[in-house]
Amino acid sequence: GAGVSQSPRYKVAKRGQDVALRCDPISGHVSLFWYQQALGQGPEFLTYFQNEAQLDKSGLPSDRFFAERPEGSVSTLKIQRTQQEDSAVYLCASSLATSRGTQYFGPGTRLLVL
Amino acid sequence: KQEVTQIPAALSVPEGENLVLNCSFTDSAIYNLQWFRQDPGKGLTSLLLIQSSQREQTSGRLNASLDKSSGRSTLYIAASQPGDSATYLCAVIVNTGTASKLTFGTGTRLQVTL
Repeated sequence: GAGVSQSPRYKVAKRGQDVALRCDPISGHVSLFWYQQALGQGPEFLTYFQNEAQLDKSGLPSDRFFAERPEGSVSTLKIQRTQQEDSAVYLCASSLATSRGTQYFGPGTRLLVL
Repeated sequence: KQEVTQIPAALSVPEGENLVLNCSFTDSAIYNLQWFRQDPGKGLTSLLLIQSSQREQTSGRLNASLDKSSGRSTLYIAASQPGDSATYLCAVIVNTGTASKLTFGTGTRLQVTL
């Protein structure tokens, strides 16, 4: 595809459920980022991959959050035992080469935990 | 810790007006600064990226300036149109040692009225 895609676009989960959010970056993009955006706030960094290597996971809020990119393309963000405070939009972005280049964002997955 | 502030939080202007959005950041050790546009329910669209060594960038009716030493950037929109209505986010890229990541402001919600 021409841009970054994410699925699902919307997810409603019951508290305690596990969820998995998928990101398809632009083909050939080396860098991939996950951000969390709470209502009325700017996105906050969660984690960064360069190819399949997770170089920075300093923004993951707890050990319930786990991200992977096993083949250096598609990435999955998994949240275990979801809590209400996990409700947010989860944005994925990719950039062509280094993490310093222009980042291109997907439409996001809106997660609502009841 | 890098903090990014945007003022005003919301702005309403009549069509045709020129306007300025402000962004300030606390740590001048940035690699670059990026302005984004976010439409409701959608991801972020990159508008302009300014390298730390640059003073400004222009794209069409948009002009972004950067004063790294004072920790400020402005986004100037000329001859505003209703289609410019969106939330505008400013973000700086900082080095984390292993990678770089975007730190966002909370955004300015712009409404351009007919």
